[in-house]
Amino acid sequence: DQQVKQNSPSLSVQEGRISILNCDYTNSMFDYFLWYKKYPAEGPTFLISISSIKDKNEDGRFTVFLNKSAKHLSLHIVPSQPGDSAVYFCAAELSSGSNYKLTFGKGTLLTVNP
Amino acid sequence: GAVVSQHPSWVICKSGTSVKIECRSLDFQATTMFWYRQFPKQSLMLMATSNEGSKATYEQGVEKDKFLINHASLTLSTLTVTSAHPEDSSFYICSARDLRSPWGQETQYFGPGTRLLVL
Repeated sequence: DQQVKQNSPSLSVQEGRISILNCDYTNSMFDYFLWYKKYPAEGPTFLISISSIKDKNEDGRFTVFLNKSAKHLSLHIVPSQPGDSAVYFCAAELSSGSNYKLTFGKGTLLTVNP
Repeated sequence: GAVVSQHPSWVICKSGTSVKIECRSLDFQATTMFWYRQFPKQSLMLMATSNEGSKATYEQGVEKDKFLINHASLTLSTLTVTSAHPEDSSFYICSARDLRSPWGQETQYFGPGTRLLVL
């Protein structure tokens, strides 16, 4: 049973526009959420995170929104740049009694066209 | 940010041999390290959680006798794929949790990954 879902395997946007990447989760016990960016044959790079006590966190061009009632989070990138093209993974963490284990979604391939 | 290294970055071996992959936290201490496996176009699947000085905790379906994990120090964890077979070919990634990171901040730093090809 997949606890973290990224239903869009790919997304294509024009440079300068907004990219919106979505993520849904099923386990209401998750209390910390992260977004990672990954290039082929490399490890994931941390982008931004949000605690379950917040509904928004912003860092430069990246904003993460959390809707706990809908068990949904999204990553907004604006303006999108060609260098943002990569696979984006959503991850959820259960901090208590789990050794901070991360559960990942399958990823969304973002392509930003010049 | 914190740096995690993996060695080797890629390895090709014959079926039946054992392969050791090292994961090091370069500028911080990590009581907990994680080993993931990623198949093409798939998610990162957690294989095991490695705790310094104690036995690793394996995820369901991961054979602990096949994937030996040793976390001998606060900066080094090793994953040994024993008697490797072609189906073990994959991309293995480790991550390390910084002791200094309080809960609520980004805690896990990932290594660059190791590509294993078993012939």
